[in-house]
Amino acid sequence: EAGVVQSPRYKIIEKKQPVAFWCNPISGHNTLYWYLQNLGQGPELLIRYENEEAVDDSQLPKDRFSAERLKGVDSTLKIQPAELGDSAVYLCASSPGTGVWETQYFGPGTRLLVL
Amino acid sequence: DAKTTQPNSMESNEEEPVHLPCNHSTISGTDYIHWYRQLPSQGPEYVIHGLTSNVNNRMASLAIAEDRKSSTLILHRATLRDAAVYYCIPYGDNAGNMLTFGGGTRLMVKP
Repeated sequence: EAGVVQSPRYKIIEKKQPVAFWCNPISGHNTLYWYLQNLGQGPELLIRYENEEAVDDSQLPKDRFSAERLKGVDSTLKIQPAELGDSAVYLCASSPGTGVWETQYFGPGTRLLVL
Repeated sequence: DAKTTQPNSMESNEEEPVHLPCNHSTISGTDYIHWYRQLPSQGPEYVIHGLTSNVNNRMASLAIAEDRKSSTLILHRATLRDAAVYYCIPYGDNAGNMLTFGGGTRLMVKP
């Protein structure tokens, strides 16, 4: 079974440029998560989707970050414009549902460097 | 919110057992205890979870204290591939129904 797929794996951009990350969750998983991981820290949740609906986006900086999950499958996370402080790893995860016994499956992440 | 306390780092010798402790004294009665680990340059991966009883799977064992204020992840025979950061995470209604990763414990395995 294929795991969570993310692309690109690495991205280098200049500040003020836009950037987008793509995630394909495990087939059949209704719940999708985007996390941000700064160097030396644990991941932090940015947004959670149940099917197409964003049910928890309280940690998403909405002035520059946006996300979408069309048709309840793939998802895209966008930053526009990027700032130096956005340099981090962006992780996507999926789970079959939202029960607290559910396992989240993580992708390898996209490592972003903003110059 | 349930808070956790884990050692910043631990060392183990290869093929020896490792006991990774976690304190979660503010956990609610309905929060599960999840453990994830993150190998270098990879996303986190699930290890094990439990509610009250001790749990075993092919990766590890989870020993949960009777009062649920602490738990211990047990790797029965550490290998070099077990070198990772291990996160203990209460997960449930009291934890905001979200995985909140703390600093974790960095496990180093010596050959």
